[in-house]
Amino acid sequence: AQTVTQSQPEMSVQEAETVTLSCTYDTSENNYYLFWYKQPPSRQMILVIRQEAYKQQNATENRFSVNFQKAAKSFSLKISDSQLGDTAMYFCAFMRTHSGAGSYQLTFGKGTKLSVIP
Amino acid sequence: DAGVTQSPTHLIKTRGQQVTLRCSPKSGHDTVSWYQQALGQGPQFIFQYYEEEERQRGNFPDRFSGHQFPNYSSELNVNALLLGDSALYLCASSLGTRGTGELFFGEGSRLTVL
Repeated sequence: AQTVTQSQPEMSVQEAETVTLSCTYDTSENNYYLFWYKQPPSRQMILVIRQEAYKQQNATENRFSVNFQKAAKSFSLKISDSQLGDTAMYFCAFMRTHSGAGSYQLTFGKGTKLSVIP
Repeated sequence: DAGVTQSPTHLIKTRGQQVTLRCSPKSGHDTVSWYQQALGQGPQFIFQYYEEEERQRGNFPDRFSGHQFPNYSSELNVNALLLGDSALYLCASSLGTRGTGELFFGEGSRLTVL
């Protein structure tokens, strides 16, 4: 079974500064996806960034980037130029790469509550 | 293009009652998954439906059951409600075998059991 650990229950950052959220995971799989999802007070889970384990290059999406260390099973999220709208719960999630119907099962961490301070 | 829609948004039930939650997937998606998110926790996988069949199931008792209709929409049913069933129930849709690993989530149904 896979496990995802987020060791920072809460974090805060000044507007326009940079913050890094940590995530570690445990799996015996070699091929998988890793995700960061954002959940604002509106409750809807929004995909922030996705990393495929077979790709060595770290994923980036505008102000969001990851540091993926496969051997260490570490997957941190860096948010640059933080904005007030970034205030939300952030969840790290793992998904096995599984061919065929019925795949796409996510295992989530417990989340990190990020507050961006004006 | 409508995203994932869920109903109702909020509901209150008492112990022992039964509840049905509904989900319409994003246009073009054929797979629906359900997650339970207790307060202050990450979502936990309940089960997944594809081609009107349950394909995968998480560690949830048989009181949790579901259904998928020919139009890909889905229902989650919970019988004999317990206080511990109080949670946000999230529906997510995806492409069964042709996608990129990305799930699209609805805004959830907040269930309170008294």
